[in-house]
Amino acid sequence: DAKTTQPTSMDCAEGRAANLPCNHSTISGNEYVYWYRQIHSQGPQYIIHGLKNNETNEMASLIITEDRKSSTLILPHATLRDTAVYYCIVRPIGTTNQGGKLIFGQGTELSVKP
Amino acid sequence: EPEVTQTPSHQVTQMGQEVILRCVPISNHLYFYWYRQILGQKVEFLVSFYNNEISEKSEIFDDQFSVERPDGSNFTLKIRSTKLEDSAMYFCASSGQVAHNEQFFGPGTRLTVL
Repeated sequence: DAKTTQPTSMDCAEGRAANLPCNHSTISGNEYVYWYRQIHSQGPQYIIHGLKNNETNEMASLIITEDRKSSTLILPHATLRDTAVYYCIVRPIGTTNQGGKLIFGQGTELSVKP
Repeated sequence: EPEVTQTPSHQVTQMGQEVILRCVPISNHLYFYWYRQILGQKVEFLVSFYNNEISEKSEIFDDQFSVERPDGSNFTLKIRSTKLEDSAMYFCASSGQVAHNEQFFGPGTRLTVL
């Protein structure tokens, strides 16, 4: 079962920052936080991941609280194309022969509106 | 930019028939995965494959399912005797040199079992 809790849906105005929260209060020390998104039944798309430090890439920023029990994905300037389901996933750091599977929850359906 | 490809995009089959879904992962990746998504439901892990063998499988991946990497480039999912409840989108994914690297997903194959 997914070990994260996310709001079911959120709205965001185009051009504004979208802040998507995720609760992962049972996260353990060897688990990363990953974010993926899925645009209308396409394959899920990797966004960003982190362990304990904040991370930023060309798509988004990831803010992880100091106790690692929650995180926020930030899309700094949301566009209509960012409308998608966003998944927050915790995943252990596997050894080379472990599967590395992703366990998806229901995610947050983000609607970016003009 | 390298990408995961899947064929066919849509497969229609009769109940009881065998189907093979094909995937070409990103060329230097070492870890391969199949997921499925029944319409309106969450993405579910089926199986992971590393070093020419299954590294992990879910309860869904029963004896009717098998995976193969026949030629070093293709990665296939076979369903021996399809059931109505196998109707879903099937996503292939691959990741690089370490199990917890980000996974890159293909566009999916929509399987319809009649």
